[in-house]
Amino acid sequence: DAGVIQSPRHEVTEMGQEVTLRCKPISGHNSLFWYRQTMMRGLELLIYFNNNVPIDDSGMPEDRFSAKMPNASFSTLKIQPSEPRDSAVYFCASSLRDRGLLNTEAFFGQGTRLTVV
Amino acid sequence: KQEVTQIPAALSVPEGENLVLNCSFTDSAIYNLQWFRQDPGKGLTSLLLIQSSQREQTSGRLNASLDKSSGRSTLYIAASQPGDSATYLCAVCFGNEKLTFGTGTRLTIIP
Repeated sequence: DAGVIQSPRHEVTEMGQEVTLRCKPISGHNSLFWYRQTMMRGLELLIYFNNNVPIDDSGMPEDRFSAKMPNASFSTLKIQPSEPRDSAVYFCASSLRDRGLLNTEAFFGQGTRLTVV
Repeated sequence: KQEVTQIPAALSVPEGENLVLNCSFTDSAIYNLQWFRQDPGKGLTSLLLIQSSQREQTSGRLNASLDKSSGRSTLYIAASQPGDSATYLCAVCFGNEKLTFGTGTRLTIIP
């Protein structure tokens, strides 16, 4: 498996523009996570899905952020409108939650470095 | 509030030495704990996963331990090499799959 795949790797956009980040989880994994990493706040969980259903979006900073998972192999994180303070590295991760509710390792993508100017 | 703490924030060690990285967490009711490394500008690479029923896990020169009662985990690196230089992150799953991360320890191995 190629691992968790994120695109684009880098994104530079102007304030007010819409930004869409994409993620393809590892095949067979049923949990998907979106994290944001900044120097000031470290790694923060934004939202996670289990079996394509959003379970907890309490980390989403505000209504400008939205995430979808239309199927088991694809998820998007959208920011509309973007602001300079959204500049960060956004990571997607996936894992498998088995029937015993034990969680396997979480695997991370390479991240998308977002710069909003 | 469930928190994960890693001290020190940075550590420099001469090549060849054994070293220990520390992770502490505030709630002993955990599902598992995972250690990652992150190289500058890169993603996170999973090193070891310890389930709550386990006391330790080993992979090559790495050994991670877990003591739930004291809320602590350690990552032991034997015979350190310059290639081990990276930021090491501890992440705890307190429940419902959510991983809470520490702020990391930036490790530098001096040749």
